[in-house]
Amino acid sequence: NAGVTQTPKFQVLKTGQSMTLQCAQDMNHEYMSWYRQDPGMGLRLIHYSVGAGITDQGEVPNGYNVSRSTTEDFPLRLLSAAPSQTSVYFCASRLTGIYEQYFGPGTRLTVT
Amino acid sequence: DQQVKQNSPSLSVQEGRISILNCDYTNSMFDYFLWYKKYPAEGPTFLISISSIKDKNEDGRFTVFLNKSAKHLSLHIVPSQPGDSAVYFCAASARNNFNKFYFGSGTKLNVKP
Repeated sequence: NAGVTQTPKFQVLKTGQSMTLQCAQDMNHEYMSWYRQDPGMGLRLIHYSVGAGITDQGEVPNGYNVSRSTTEDFPLRLLSAAPSQTSVYFCASRLTGIYEQYFGPGTRLTVT
Repeated sequence: DQQVKQNSPSLSVQEGRISILNCDYTNSMFDYFLWYKKYPAEGPTFLISISSIKDKNEDGRFTVFLNKSAKHLSLHIVPSQPGDSAVYFCAASARNNFNKFYFGSGTKLNVKP
């Protein structure tokens, strides 16, 4: 099992550019989520999904879109990147009914 | 406003001694708590958890204590080892929405040999 994988590991964008952060898991987990980690702020939930076709907002959803067409994949889209979105992004997954989440290795995004 | 707070950004402990990491929360609806450990350039990994129906949970060298009246939990590591040096996050979820998790800002533990 590869667990939770994220691509790319690093990305630099200019303000206004768009991009998609990829996340995939091979554990057949129904629940997947995206977090951002900023200094002094810990991890903050952006969006989450409880299954294919079902997504919901977390604490800081503005500026981000998600969709879930398969159990395995949960991409995060930035439609028009802003410097405030400079952060480290983590994807996570878990089994329904189990609280423990498995995290990917993260994507470090810089918006200039 | 952060609902889960870790007020100590860092902690330094000698190898073999006890490490105590603290976490406070404000939301009385939180009923499940987790600790994660994070090494640099890696994602967090689950360490130990506790339900609000318990006040203590133990797993090897790691023990989590929950004081519901004080809205406080702590993670004890005994004995501390250099490999425990990492950032520790506490997280919580509420009984009215167990799909949302709230994390503290983390405590960086340094265990000196």
